[in-house]
Amino acid sequence: GAGVSQSPSNKVTEKGKDVELRCDPISGHTALYWYRQRLGQGLEFLIYFQGNSAPDKSGLPSDRFSAERTGESVSTLTIQRTQQEDSAVYLCASSRTLNEQFFGPGTRLTVL
Amino acid sequence: GQQLNQSPQSMFIQEGEDVSMNCTSSSIFNTWLWYKQDPGEGPVLLIALYKAGELTSNGRLTAQFGITRKDSFLNISASIPSDVGIYFCAGQRTTDSWGKFQFGAGTQVVVTP
Repeated sequence: GAGVSQSPSNKVTEKGKDVELRCDPISGHTALYWYRQRLGQGLEFLIYFQGNSAPDKSGLPSDRFSAERTGESVSTLTIQRTQQEDSAVYLCASSRTLNEQFFGPGTRLTVL
Repeated sequence: GQQLNQSPQSMFIQEGEDVSMNCTSSSIFNTWLWYKQDPGEGPVLLIALYKAGELTSNGRLTAQFGITRKDSFLNISASIPSDVGIYFCAGQRTTDSWGKFQFGAGTQVVVTP
């Protein structure tokens, strides 16, 4: 497709379970970002991949959160031992120029 | 925490009115972006600004990169019902690595007929 895609669109899980969220960036975009958006709030930066450079993980809230990216392609965000406070929309964005970002539709995570 | 102060938090306006919102910071920025987010969707880029003083329009939207490089504003003229949504500013600080952006908390716009 032409845009950033994310899957699943919705995920409901039980507290303590692990979840994996997937992002497919726009083809040719070297930069990929993950953000968290809690209900009614702005975007909270989580992690940033740029080409072959080491990712900027400065926004990950705890060691339960991790992300990987395969080359300049798909990325997965993994949350281990989910907590209710992890409930949010997780947004992925990609960029070619580093001057702007294009967002996917997000994955809405609900932890019961 | 939020690096950008975006205001107002929300606004309720009548169709046809103009809308103005802004973002400020104590940091200096080299890029400002304005996004709109509709319910259940990701933010969509409206306008990008790259130079201090730059004034850019996109239809009824106009945005400016502040001269001090610490602020930006977005105006929407003659609002229509489809302008409803949350508007976010995003900026790239000169002290951040290239490509890393800070986001404002958003301005919720509600347009009544």
